[in-house]
Amino acid sequence: GEDVEQSLFLSVREGDSSVINCTYTDSSSTYLYWYKQEPGAGLQLLTYIFSNMDMKQDQRLTVLLNKKDKHLSLRIADTQTGDSAIYFCAVSYSSASKIIFGSGTRLSIRP
Amino acid sequence: DVKVTQSSRYLVKRTGEKVFLECVQDMDHENMFWYRQDPGLGLRLIYFSYDVKMKEKGDIPEGYSVSREKKERFSLILESASTNQTSMYLCASRTTGGVQPQHFGDGTRLSIL
Repeated sequence: GEDVEQSLFLSVREGDSSVINCTYTDSSSTYLYWYKQEPGAGLQLLTYIFSNMDMKQDQRLTVLLNKKDKHLSLRIADTQTGDSAIYFCAVSYSSASKIIFGSGTRLSIRP
Repeated sequence: DVKVTQSSRYLVKRTGEKVFLECVQDMDHENMFWYRQDPGLGLRLIYFSYDVKMKEKGDIPEGYSVSREKKERFSLILESASTNQTSMYLCASRTTGGVQPQHFGDGTRLSIL
């Protein structure tokens, strides 16, 4: 079945780049998403990539997709304290109404 | 902008009570979802609905039921609340197909005493 995996924690120094990784099992994915969840709040869509793309850049965010390895990453340049949050990777399939979520990566920022 | 509204941010109930969590979306989305979120376990899908009066079990439906009488409203019901149902509950909606992501409400933090 479909499965999406992420590491649970990442700690980076303020000003460095953060790279959050995600792997998924089903290669028939159509769209892949990154969501951000701040403390006490719901999930907010950050960005997405279509499965026939290999890169998308949006200001400080860069999404890389390696479809052969079923690996998705989110790079945040110049990480700031406001980037502290849980980041969820999610994958959609054309055959299904629902989206499959990873378990989330908690990003913490060191001064 | 899509708006998904959950009726309560915080709720405290007692063991054995029947609990209703309400969710309303304003974008005429066909699909609506209820998740619970617990530390280290990510989002777990409880139930979803792809149309009015239609429902599908998710990964952890036990102890829960849902109701979708109108397209914009999706209710989660805890038939007899238990302490292990203390959690953050998130509602989401989505239109079918294409790039459309799921849009989330702000969540309800439910405590069962």
